[in-house]
Amino acid sequence: GAVVSQHPSWVICKSGTSVKIECRSLDFQATTMFWYRQFPKQSLMLMATSNEGSKATYEQGVEKDKFLINHASLTLSTLTVTSAHPEDSSFYICSARRTNPLSNQPQHFGDGTRLSIL
Amino acid sequence: AQTVTQSQPEMSVQEAETVTLSCTYDTSESDYYLFWYKQPPSRQMILVIRQEAYKQQNATENRFSVNFQKAAKSFSLKISDSQLGDAAMYFCAYRGIGGSQGNLIFGKGTKLSVKP
Repeated sequence: GAVVSQHPSWVICKSGTSVKIECRSLDFQATTMFWYRQFPKQSLMLMATSNEGSKATYEQGVEKDKFLINHASLTLSTLTVTSAHPEDSSFYICSARRTNPLSNQPQHFGDGTRLSIL
Repeated sequence: AQTVTQSQPEMSVQEAETVTLSCTYDTSESDYYLFWYKQPPSRQMILVIRQEAYKQQNATENRFSVNFQKAAKSFSLKISDSQLGDAAMYFCAYRGIGGSQGNLIFGKGTKLSVKP
């Protein structure tokens, strides 16, 4: 089955540093990947849609300069949290789906990244 | 804009019994997809079942089945013969077909507990 690998699974860093999270589709090509944020005991909130070879589409209220997204290939999207602060601490999950947006292919999720900013 | 509502924050079921989780949604689209995802304590998102709106037949996957009522915009999940491993957060999700690029819209989730 389709597998999405997300790395790292857990990161702890000091306030002010930047953190990069990788999302890879291991056995399929994904022109579109999605980045979600999940606060404790809450649902997944879409942050942005990552499109291979073009700029990401950010949801309202998400700072694009804060959360940099790069989708340089059909199998890799990265989310960089720049100058991270404690309020950025959260669980970040990526997902990917096969190329055709009109197909009935489901999204496949990575295992998530727990980000803790001290 | 599409919305997904799960009105049951928490549910509990006895092992081997049946439980139904509710989900309603709002959309002006005629064609779309609906999903149920399970998120155990490990926080991995696991696809449980999906339904294409143009299909009248309710989807089933082993012990999991849905009751899809398109006119009522209702999409409930029935878990039969509940097992301890079914304990998790369950999220109902909607995905349009049009220009939304296929992102999922999630409900707030239902926490399911399974009693031995």
